[in-house]
Amino acid sequence: NAGVTQTPKFRVLKTGQSMTLLCAQDMNHEYMYWYRQDPGMGLRLIHYSVGEGTTAKGEVPDGYNVSRLKKQNFLLGLESAAPSQTSVYFCASSLLAGDTDTQYFGPGTRLTVL
Amino acid sequence: AQSVTQPDIHITVSEGASLELRCNYSYGATPYLFWYVQSPGQGLQLLLKYFSGDTLVQGIKGFEAEFKRSQSSFNLRKPSVHWSDAAEYFCAVGAKTGRRALTFGSGTRLQVQP
Repeated sequence: NAGVTQTPKFRVLKTGQSMTLLCAQDMNHEYMYWYRQDPGMGLRLIHYSVGEGTTAKGEVPDGYNVSRLKKQNFLLGLESAAPSQTSVYFCASSLLAGDTDTQYFGPGTRLTVL
Repeated sequence: AQSVTQPDIHITVSEGASLELRCNYSYGATPYLFWYVQSPGQGLQLLLKYFSGDTLVQGIKGFEAEFKRSQSSFNLRKPSVHWSDAAEYFCAVGAKTGRRALTFGSGTRLQVQP
């Protein structure tokens, strides 16, 4: 099992550009999450999904969109990147709801927006 | 809404010394509590979790945590620290209702001196 994988690992964007981050899990998990990690702020939830075809907003959803067309994939999109979106992005998945079950994290994507 | 406070941003201990990392939570009922560890450049890994029952919880890598309802605390401990324990540690709380995701603290970075 590869667990949770994230593509790409690093990316540099210019303000206004768009991009999509891909998260894939091979554990047949129902729940998937996107977090951003900023110094001194821990992890903050951007969007999450409780199953294929469903998505919901987290704490900091503005400027991001997500899609879960397949159970194993969870995509995070930035339509018009801003410097404030410079961060490390983590994807996670869990079999049951993430507030009661172990979440498995990917290795992260480091995004810089110039 | 629930919240988590980790009062210590950075802790340095000597190898072989004992360790205690503090975590205080705010939640109206008995929460689900977690400790995750993040090694440099890696995603997060679950150390241990508390749902109910025995308030002293054993985890991986020799860590334990004690839930104290009266103090709203869930401190992480290890009797003898190894150099490989140098990492960032995150306490998290699960709400069990509404958004089925975790709220993370801001983290404590542990440095281990030889």
